[in-house]
Amino acid sequence: NAGVTQTPKFRVLKTGQSMTLLCAQDMNHEYMYWYRQDPGMGLRLIHYSVGEGTTAKGEVPDGYNVSRLKKQNFLLGLESAAPSQTSVYFCASSYPSAGLGGYTFGSGTRLTVV
Amino acid sequence: AQKVTQAQTEISVVEKEDVTLDCVYETRDTTYYLFWYKQPPSGELVFLIRRNSFDEQNEISGRYSWNFQKSTSSFNFTITASQVVDSAVYFCALSDNTGFQKLVFGTGTRLLVSP
Repeated sequence: NAGVTQTPKFRVLKTGQSMTLLCAQDMNHEYMYWYRQDPGMGLRLIHYSVGEGTTAKGEVPDGYNVSRLKKQNFLLGLESAAPSQTSVYFCASSYPSAGLGGYTFGSGTRLTVV
Repeated sequence: AQKVTQAQTEISVVEKEDVTLDCVYETRDTTYYLFWYKQPPSGELVFLIRRNSFDEQNEISGRYSWNFQKSTSSFNFTITASQVVDSAVYFCALSDNTGFQKLVFGTGTRLLVSP
């Protein structure tokens, strides 16, 4: 019972480089999310997906792209990394009905862009 | 627009003291959910509680209790007889009514419990 797994856990990028963060869940959740956490700002929603093949923008989507080709995976891409994207990234998943409980979060990816 | 305010940036207490973490929210929805999450120094996010907008009963779970008051748009969290292991950042969050469960988080309150 892995829950939500994020890879990698740490990464250092140079400005302009690209990378993809992978989120995998094994709970058959329909909904998946990517948040970023910055000091003093809490967590902010980047993109989310309500099902395989569907994605939508959250509060801070600029500079990121996502894909959900398989129900269990939600990928977050940075095409050209910028120092402002230095952050801790959390993936989460949930059932469609909020009455079934809160999110299950991954353990986070700490990304530094230099 | 939805908003969650956690005005207390950091709280320091001595072990065994009681401590209350404040959460004030703004929403125009009549149906919504409120959450509390704990983020210990290890960095993971741990779900503590979910409360829907139609249930204003206070809840107690061990040393933790939650006070939900719609009249003041508050969902406060109290830890009784705090312990060092309670040291963490605590986030209050609000879901919208779109059915997609997008959460709006407060900025968090860092609780430091010293022995």
